[in-house]
Amino acid sequence: DVKVTQSSRYLVKRTGEKVFLECVQDMDHENMFWYRQDPGLGLRLIYFSYDVKMKEKGDIPEGYSVSREKKERFSLILESASTNQTSMYLCASSDIRNTIYFGEGSWLTVV
Amino acid sequence: GEDVEQSLFLSVREGDSSVINCTYTDSSSTYLYWYKQEPGAGLQLLTYIFSNMDMKQDQRLTVLLNKKDKHLSLRIADTQTGDSAIYFCAEKGQAGTALIFGKGTTLSVSS
Repeated sequence: DVKVTQSSRYLVKRTGEKVFLECVQDMDHENMFWYRQDPGLGLRLIYFSYDVKMKEKGDIPEGYSVSREKKERFSLILESASTNQTSMYLCASSDIRNTIYFGEGSWLTVV
Repeated sequence: GEDVEQSLFLSVREGDSSVINCTYTDSSSTYLYWYKQEPGAGLQLLTYIFSNMDMKQDQRLTVLLNKKDKHLSLRIADTQTGDSAIYFCAEKGQAGTALIFGKGTTLSVSS
């Protein structure tokens, strides 16, 4: 079975803090993604990566950056967290058929 | 631009069939997907259909694709309370490998 693991399920951070959300997949997938999910807005793509050290902006990249130093790991970084970044963050990876597999999600609250 | 539309809510009685509908805009989509999200969890791939197929059946799930109308539906036979969840329709967008998701349909099953 494909496994996508997000390191933190629940985080509470203060405004202005730097936040790292880590994601690891164990299926040697080339592509990895970060989405955020908000009520009434569905899933919105923040960034994706199709290879090590490669990244592409999604629909809402502002306020976020990413890092892909190893194939299995894709990190989402909030340089200076703000309250409007309170959300559920979903990491995913995809196989050659582009079928996407998701992690369990990370609930981030910025206070 | 690319867009995926779904109705937001569906309520059914246990044992009835549920039909969740979705429309999409990208006629070049090669795969279309249905994901299920249970409360507090990530998205779980339920099924997918290749664009040259009209129908796919998998146990209680039937997916129907009408390419002419760009309409996708998911039928759940003998709906159970455990089927209560949010169901997302998704298509593969033109921009690389990321999927475009609808806002999700909340299915509520009453006993």
